[in-house]
Amino acid sequence: NAGVTQTPKFRVLKTGQSMTLLCAQDMNHEYMYWYRQDPGMGLRLIHYSVGEGTTAKGEVPDGYNVSRLKKQNFLLGLESAAPSQTSVYFCASRDRIYEQYFGPGTRLTVT
Amino acid sequence: GENVEQHPSTLSVQEGDSAVIKCTYSDSASNYFPWYKQELGKRPQLIIDIRSNVGEKKDQRIAVTLNKTAKHFSLHITETQPEDSAVYFCAASREDGATNKLIFGTGTLLAVQP
Repeated sequence: NAGVTQTPKFRVLKTGQSMTLLCAQDMNHEYMYWYRQDPGMGLRLIHYSVGEGTTAKGEVPDGYNVSRLKKQNFLLGLESAAPSQTSVYFCASRDRIYEQYFGPGTRLTVT
Repeated sequence: GENVEQHPSTLSVQEGDSAVIKCTYSDSASNYFPWYKQELGKRPQLIIDIRSNVGEKKDQRIAVTLNKTAKHFSLHITETQPEDSAVYFCAASREDGATNKLIFGTGTLLAVQP
């Protein structure tokens, strides 16, 4: 099993550009999450999904959109990137009562 | 909204000493409390967790204690080793089957000096 994978690993965007981050899991997990990690601020929840076709807002959803058309994939979109969105993005998945697994992260820089 | 506070933000200990990291949470309905370790440039990984029906859990050199009345929980690492150096995150969630979303503390950078 690959676990949780993320693509791309690194990306540099110019202000105003758009992009999509892909998260995939092969553990048949119901719940999937997108976090951003900034120095001194821990892991903050952007959006999450409790099952295929569902999405919900987390702590810091502004400027991001998500979709979960297939159970194994959770996409995070930035429609118009801003320098404040420079961060490391982690995807995670879990089943109802077991541990949460994280992907390897995507380092995004917006100039 | 839900909030988890974590202290200290940095902790330096000598090899062989103990380290303690403390967290408090705001949502009294929280019932699951995991701890994650994140090495530099890596993903967070679960090291231990506790559910609200127990007060303490141990796994070799690591232990977690939970005080539901006071809404705080702690990570204890004994006989620290240089490889314990990392950032540690606590988290809390309400495991109600609806969202099961983890709210994380801001992390503790632990440095174990050889």
